[in-house]
Amino acid sequence: NAGVTQTPKFRILKIGQSMTLQCTQDMNHNYMYWYRQDPGMGLKLIYYSVGAGITDKGEVPNGYNVSRSTTEDFPLRLELAAPSQTSVYFCASRRLAGGPEDTQYFGPGTRLTVL
Amino acid sequence: GESVGLHLPTLSVQEGDNSIINCAYSNSASDYFIWYKQESGKGPQFIIDIRSNMDKRQGQRVTVLLNKTVKHLSLQIAATQPGDSAVYFCAETYSSASKIIFGSGTRLSIRP
Repeated sequence: NAGVTQTPKFRILKIGQSMTLQCTQDMNHNYMYWYRQDPGMGLKLIYYSVGAGITDKGEVPNGYNVSRSTTEDFPLRLELAAPSQTSVYFCASRRLAGGPEDTQYFGPGTRLTVL
Repeated sequence: GESVGLHLPTLSVQEGDNSIINCAYSNSASDYFIWYKQESGKGPQFIIDIRSNMDKRQGQRVTVLLNKTVKHLSLQIAATQPGDSAVYFCAETYSSASKIIFGSGTRLSIRP
């Protein structure tokens, strides 16, 4: 299994531009998450999904949108990029909660800079 | 409210010594705890987990201890090696929860 993959690895945006961060997992996990991590800080939850067609807001959803049309894919959309969105974005997936191992598996991250 | 925090933001350890990273949590309903390791430029990686029906769990060179009375867990790394240099996060959740709550992280640095 490839696990959780994210594209692109790096991106520079101008203020006001939009982009989609891609995330795919091949583990048939039903739960998927998007986090952002600012320099020297912990992980903040942006959005999450408990299954195809279901999404919910996390701690810091403003300025972002998500969709979950398939089990495998969970793209994150930035509509009007702002400098405050400069961060590293991590996607994660997780098997159904309550199983023997409920941990999340993380992708390698997308480093986004907004100038 | 719910929170998971760490007592020490940075920890410097002599190579070969044991490392102990601490974490406090406040949600008494949490019943599943996870430690992650994040190396520079990479995503967090699972190290070890523990459920609330246990107070100790051992892996390869790592041990997690859970004290539910004081809502505290710790990660012990035996014979710390240069490759252990990273930021370590504790995280908590409970069985019916979708979200996993992360602590702020501790940076572990190894002195030669």
